[in-house]
Amino acid sequence: AQKITQTQPGMFVQEKEAVTLDCTYDTSDPSYGLFWYKQPSSGEMIFLIYQGSYDQQNATEGRYSLNFQKARKSANLVISASQLGDSAMYFCAMRGMRAAGNKLTFGGGTRVLVKP
Amino acid sequence: EADIYQTPRYLVIGTGKKITLECSQTMGHDKMYWYQQDPGMELHLIHYSYGVNSTEKGDLSSESTVSRIRTEHFPLTLESARPSHTSQYLCASSESSGRLNTEAFFGQGTRLTVV
Repeated sequence: AQKITQTQPGMFVQEKEAVTLDCTYDTSDPSYGLFWYKQPSSGEMIFLIYQGSYDQQNATEGRYSLNFQKARKSANLVISASQLGDSAMYFCAMRGMRAAGNKLTFGGGTRVLVKP
Repeated sequence: EADIYQTPRYLVIGTGKKITLECSQTMGHDKMYWYQQDPGMELHLIHYSYGVNSTEKGDLSSESTVSRIRTEHFPLTLESARPSHTSQYLCASSESSGRLNTEAFFGQGTRLTVV
C-alpha cells in the first residue's frame, strides 16, 4: 500500500520569499517515483516536478526544487522567489513500481497563499 | 499543453437523474483514470483503465461506472445521481511506458452538484 501525508493544510508566504511544502510517504515498493502537482482555483492539475527513488541528485525545475531525504521518506517541495501566481493547492503524489494500473496516490494537499 | 478534455466543466442536476461525464484525450495514451476530489481535499482514484475494453475499480468505492470502447474516450456514468455524489471529478491519462516517471496529464475537471 502507498500513503502520502502532507501535514500543512495551509501556508502564507510573502511574495519573493521561498516556501517549503512538506511531504512524507510510506510504501513497501523498493522502487517508486514522487511527483508534485499544482492545482489553481480553476481546478486543473499541473505537473511541477518528479523525483525517482534511485535518483542520486535532488530534482530541480526552474523555481521548484525537491528536498528528497530517502531515509526519512520525505520529499519536500521548495518554491523559490514566490510569485502571486503561485497561490494554489499543491499535491504530493507517488507511484510505486507495483502499483496497479500505474496509479498515482495523492496526499491531502497544502494550500499556499502568496501575499503581495 | 495537455490534450485531455472534460465536459461539462460544471453541472447542476436533480436527484435521480442519469448523467455521463465525458473525458477524451488525443495523445494516444493507453492508461486513463478517474479521480474524485471534494473541494480542497485529496484526490481519490475511483476507476482506471489499461486500454480498450479494460476497466478496473479504484481505491475509493464509487457507484459510478465507466467504459472504454475507444482509446481516446473514457466516460463516467452515474445511473441515479444523489447529493452525496456532489464533488469534482478529474480525468487523467498517461503513457504505458512502464517507467515510474511517466507523467499523468489531467483534464480541467467536472464540478458536479446534485440538488
